Amino acid sequence: GESVGLHLPTLSVQEGDNSIINCAYSNSASDYFIWYKQESGKGPQFIIDIRSNMDKRQGQRVTVLLNKTVKHLSLQIAATQPGDSAVYFCAVGAGGYNKLIFGAGTRLAVHP
Amino acid sequence: GAVVSQHPSWVICKSGTSVKIECRSLDFQATTMFWYRQFPKQSLMLMATSNEGSKATYEQGVEKDKFLINHASLTLSTLTVTSAHPEDSSFYICSARGWGQGADTQYFGPGTRLTVL
Repeated sequence: GESVGLHLPTLSVQEGDNSIINCAYSNSASDYFIWYKQESGKGPQFIIDIRSNMDKRQGQRVTVLLNKTVKHLSLQIAATQPGDSAVYFCAVGAGGYNKLIFGAGTRLAVHP
Repeated sequence: GAVVSQHPSWVICKSGTSVKIECRSLDFQATTMFWYRQFPKQSLMLMATSNEGSKATYEQGVEKDKFLINHASLTLSTLTVTSAHPEDSSFYICSARGWGQGADTQYFGPGTRLTVL
């Protein structure tokens, strides 16, 4: 079965620095990957997604990198702001957008 | 775009009672909705997949008679926790598949905090 894990449970960064959150997955058939941001007491908020036919995708201040060889993806946040403080989850799907498996989550703490 | 709402946002009930949670896609139609539960400081666990007009597909270990799901329209799915017990206390989150923010993916509601006394 699929398992999804994160390398770092907590990440502390200084405001203005770049943040990198990592995620590993186990199922080589996985073909869809998403990053969500969850603030305390709220539902997950979509950040960015990437399909297996790509290895990089950029959004506003965020970049997702996918390395299918080692089954690893990362979320890079540029110029991290206090409002970026939250728990970040990677989610992995096989065969499309249904049945997403979520990673354990990484808490990002941004310090002024 | 792709806004999902849930009602209620929180509920407290006595053990043995049933609780209904509504999930609505506000600005799009969702043929598929999903129900997750999340315990404190843990990740999201998929409970079931709900398709409009058909029976829900439950994940292994989720009791379908305890967690009743109805997806009567393209914008509404409901989760009823029957005969709730304290161990059912959790954060229940729904998502709906649709287009928004430049992606066809799952968009999540704000969650419902259930506390069973």
